[in-house]
Amino acid sequence: DVKVTQSSRYLVKRTGEKVFLECVQDMDHENMFWYRQDPGLGLRLIYFSYDVKMKEKGDIPEGYSVSREKKERFSLILESASTNQTSMYLCASSLARSGRVQETQYFGPGTRLLVL
Amino acid sequence: EDQVTQSPEALRLQEGESSSLNCSYTVSGLRGLFWYRQDPGKGPEFLFTLYSAGEEKEKERLKATLTKKESFLHITAPKPEDSATYLCAVQASGANSKLTFGKGITLSVRP
Repeated sequence: DVKVTQSSRYLVKRTGEKVFLECVQDMDHENMFWYRQDPGLGLRLIYFSYDVKMKEKGDIPEGYSVSREKKERFSLILESASTNQTSMYLCASSLARSGRVQETQYFGPGTRLLVL
Repeated sequence: EDQVTQSPEALRLQEGESSSLNCSYTVSGLRGLFWYRQDPGKGPEFLFTLYSAGEEKEKERLKATLTKKESFLHITAPKPEDSATYLCAVQASGANSKLTFGKGITLSVRP
């Protein structure tokens, strides 16, 4: 069974704080993804990574950075949190870049972040 | 640009009342179409992947079908526990694994 875990379910931070969201997968997946989900906007891709130390921008990378030092762990960093970053953050992973079955993304439980 | 449109936005059914959820897509070469179920406050749970027109997948009361322009998620004799938001996503042929999601359909099944 694929398992993706996220470090916190709920987080409250103040404007200007540096925020770290951690994601860990236990299935040796190559690909990892960070999304945010907002009412009326759906899921939007922030960043993704195909391999350790590799990262690529998604559709809304502004205000975020990521780190992937180990294959199983992918961190999302809010350098200076702002109120418009209040959202549900979802991490996902998939097995590999090629091959049909491997492309399925499996999601973690999400972190609901509130920035005051 | 890849686009996914789901309709209706919300659907209320009586227990046992079968219906279908629609996912229309525009993509430059479809690599895969994915259906997920999401319960409130939780992450999406994978349901199905469809790869080519004419393909069908089934799981309990759910059946997903695919044409060249849209996918349907058919729900047969739904139960209250089927209440959730159903998300559709497409993956285009190309060099990466990005998914483009629709905004979801919120299904409510009354007992």
